[in-house]
Amino acid sequence: NAGVTQTPKFQVLKTGQSMTLQCAQDMNHNSMYWYRQDPGMGLRLIYYSASEGTTDKGEVPNGYNVSRLNKREFSLRLESAAPSQTSVYFCASSAGTGNSGNQPQHFGDGTRLSIL
Amino acid sequence: SQQGEEDPQALSIQEGENATMNCSYKTSINNLQWYRQNSGRGLVHLILIRSNEREKHSGRLRVTLDTSKKSSSLLITASRAADTASYFCATTGFQKLVFGTGTRLLVSP
Repeated sequence: NAGVTQTPKFQVLKTGQSMTLQCAQDMNHNSMYWYRQDPGMGLRLIYYSASEGTTDKGEVPNGYNVSRLNKREFSLRLESAAPSQTSVYFCASSAGTGNSGNQPQHFGDGTRLSIL
Repeated sequence: SQQGEEDPQALSIQEGENATMNCSYKTSINNLQWYRQNSGRGLVHLILIRSNEREKHSGRLRVTLDTSKKSSSLLITASRAADTASYFCATTGFQKLVFGTGTRLLVSP
């Protein structure tokens, strides 16, 4: 049982390049999330999806787009990468609905993204 | 903006000792969750405590919640080197789960 799988694990981009981070879960969860983790900042929510076909902005959505491809997959796209987007990105899923936090979230191991 | 703030930011203890971490928050919550993050890995859920609960146990973990003081504590008893990790509280208010900045725990053999 893989849980939440993120690809790639590491990536280096140049400013202005585009990139899609992939996330898949095999727990049949309704809700999926994208966070970024920066030193001293904790985790900040970028976007979330309460169900297939729906997405909502989180705390820091600027510069990102998301697609809930199906129930299993939720991708995060950087259209024009900027150095400020250097971070560790985590995908998570939950049996709960939306961002209510009434159920535990299950995390992938992250994508470490550096933008030069 | 962060809702939960963990204290201390870092904690260093010896194996066998107990470790206590605190989380304070600002607004009313529906529940509070604690997560562990090992270096280079994702967060792992430990315990969820609801606003009408005062204490919850899971193995060597004990979580308390005091809604009047807007605070929670996580106690790890008889700590082990494998408990070395960062610990985060996450609070749920109005349709929103917000993580704190974490406590880094180092358990030395």
